[in-house]
Amino acid sequence: NAGVMQNPRHLVRRRGQEARLRCSPVKGHSHVYWYRQLPEEGLKFMVYLQKENIIDESGMPKERFSAEFPKEGPSILRIQQVVRGDSAAYFCASSPETGNGNTIYFGEGSWLTVV
Amino acid sequence: SQQGEEDPQALSIQEGENATMNCSYKTSINNLQWYRQNSGRGLVHLILIRSNEREKHSGRLRVTLDTSKKSSSLLITASRAADTASYFCGKGGGADGLTFGKGTHLIIQP
Repeated sequence: NAGVMQNPRHLVRRRGQEARLRCSPVKGHSHVYWYRQLPEEGLKFMVYLQKENIIDESGMPKERFSAEFPKEGPSILRIQQVVRGDSAAYFCASSPETGNGNTIYFGEGSWLTVV
Repeated sequence: SQQGEEDPQALSIQEGENATMNCSYKTSINNLQWYRQNSGRGLVHLILIRSNEREKHSGRLRVTLDTSKKSSSLLITASRAADTASYFCGKGGGADGLTFGKGTHLIIQP
């Protein structure tokens, strides 16, 4: 049973370009979360999605960032017009249901470097 | 949103000693999940403890939860060099997954 798969693992973008990060949840999981981690920091919640729906995007910047989890295919976190401050590790996690004690599994992360 | 921090921020002990790290939170939770993160890697799930549980064990790991004090602790017994990592507690209570602090950076010295 494959875990949460993220790609690319490392991504370098110039300022102003777009970054597109992909996440395939654990097979059978319908809930996906995206987190951002800055160096020496904890994980900050960005967005929570279920299939075809954004449930909570309170942690995601209003501009330049968007996320989707289509009916078919992986979840995508898209960052438009990247700036240096977007450099971070972006982690995807999945669970079969939300709340009340279901284990949340994390992927290996996508490390974005903006130059 | 729920806030909380792990402490200490950094801990250095000798191999074979026990390591204890703590996690506090401010609002009610329904579960708390401990994770390990090695440098440059993702989070590996260690133990989940529910709000109606007080203690759980997994191998050399022991997690306690005191909801009256809004705190949890992770004990690693007989530490090994491979335990060197950052440890995070994720506080769960709502629809937005888990809330994390900055973690405890544990160094096991040979």
